[in-house]
Amino acid sequence: DAGITQSPRHKVTETGTPVTLRCHQTENHRYMYWYRQDPGHGLRLIHYSYGVKDTDKGEVSDGYSVSRSKTEDFLLTLESATSSQTSVYFCAISGHGDIFSGANVLTFGAGSRLTVL
Amino acid sequence: GQSLEQPSEVTAVEGAIVQINCTYQTSGFYGLSWYQQHDGGAPTFLSYNALDGLEETGRFSSFLSRSDSYGYLLLQELQMKDSASYFCAVLLNSGYSTLTFGKGTMLLVSP
Repeated sequence: DAGITQSPRHKVTETGTPVTLRCHQTENHRYMYWYRQDPGHGLRLIHYSYGVKDTDKGEVSDGYSVSRSKTEDFLLTLESATSSQTSVYFCAISGHGDIFSGANVLTFGAGSRLTVL
Repeated sequence: GQSLEQPSEVTAVEGAIVQINCTYQTSGFYGLSWYQQHDGGAPTFLSYNALDGLEETGRFSSFLSRSDSYGYLLLQELQMKDSASYFCAVLLNSGYSTLTFGKGTMLLVSP
């Protein structure tokens, strides 16, 4: 999607190897998120960031870490990938706003499909 | 824990009207959103309700009843291109815009 790019788009790796997924935005939005999507589970929040160096855990954060050293980049790292982390990973950004304005809209990237063998 | 329930699949024909329901049980609630996702694509925002009532955006409308912890997405004049998955999502934290999503409803529109 324009303004938000994910890399790599596809990756195959082996169990035990480290993996880093990158999300880059050009919208200067403060809020960034990493979700994973699996059949039967919908989208589940892994980690999110509310500013440079400000991050917090989501509902499925075990086995993942994140970093945000610049406003435009949010990295998701799997320190030692496992087969259960095979998934499609979506990054999202939010311009934020008051809860009545509808500005709490997430814009998603195109996704990164990760396969852990 | 957080729980959002929506039907797994709905089928309809072109030109028809379909309603996708969403019930939720969450520890916080600031609003209900709907997202559309075509196969292999990214989810895209459709609508958001913070207050009770109906919000209309073209062929799509969304309804919220906070007292019933219930909302729905109404799609009118269905087109083949509406075949997609639809997710309801609860805004849990107004400070960080964190959304909790339902598992999604696959809508199949046939000719």
